[in-house]
Amino acid sequence: DTGVSQNPRHKITKRGQNVTFRCDPISEHNRLYWYRQTLGQGPEFLTYFQNEAQLEKSRLLSDRFSAERPKGSFSTLEIQRTEQGDSAMYLCASSPTGGGSEAFFGQGTRLTVV
Amino acid sequence: GNSVTQMEGPVTLSEEAFLTINCTYTATGYPSLFWYVQYPGEGLQLLLKATKADDKGSNKGFEATYRKETTSFHLEKGSVQVSDSAVYFCASGYSTLTFGKGTMLLVSP
Repeated sequence: DTGVSQNPRHKITKRGQNVTFRCDPISEHNRLYWYRQTLGQGPEFLTYFQNEAQLEKSRLLSDRFSAERPKGSFSTLEIQRTEQGDSAMYLCASSPTGGGSEAFFGQGTRLTVV
Repeated sequence: GNSVTQMEGPVTLSEEAFLTINCTYTATGYPSLFWYVQYPGEGLQLLLKATKADDKGSNKGFEATYRKETTSFHLEKGSVQVSDSAVYFCASGYSTLTFGKGTMLLVSP
């Protein structure tokens, strides 16, 4: 197992364009999380899935953001009509169980909106 | 809401010095507590964790004790190395995590 994999590693897009990121969690981890990290800050929770069910969404997640995990394996995070304020590192993590289990993070997708 | 506060950096130390990075949290109940480390150019890695009061997490010479009385989870290491230079994040939570802003540690030879 190679850990949590995220693609692409970097994305530069023009304001107003849509972007989609992919996350492949560690095999058999049933929980998958998305976080966002800006420079000089810690990661901020966006949303998480248990298997294919999206269980929680942060109020940080505007209507332009949508996440899916259709078969309970990989997940996608889409941002529509990107804004410069969306520029950040988008982190994916997975864990085998909830409540006290550590999350294993991928290396992230760095988004730059120009 | 939940929050995590950790000391601001950068923390600059000489090799073999003693390290403390303070972390306090606010939360409902007794969440699990974590320290993550981010080395330059790499992703977040779990360093240690504690799941209940008075638990001590330890790894690679680092330690932290879950203190519910002071709602703290301070990170310590007796003798730092240059290779410990990184950004350290304190986090709390049950399933989803609330992170502090991170503390950069710079260790010089």
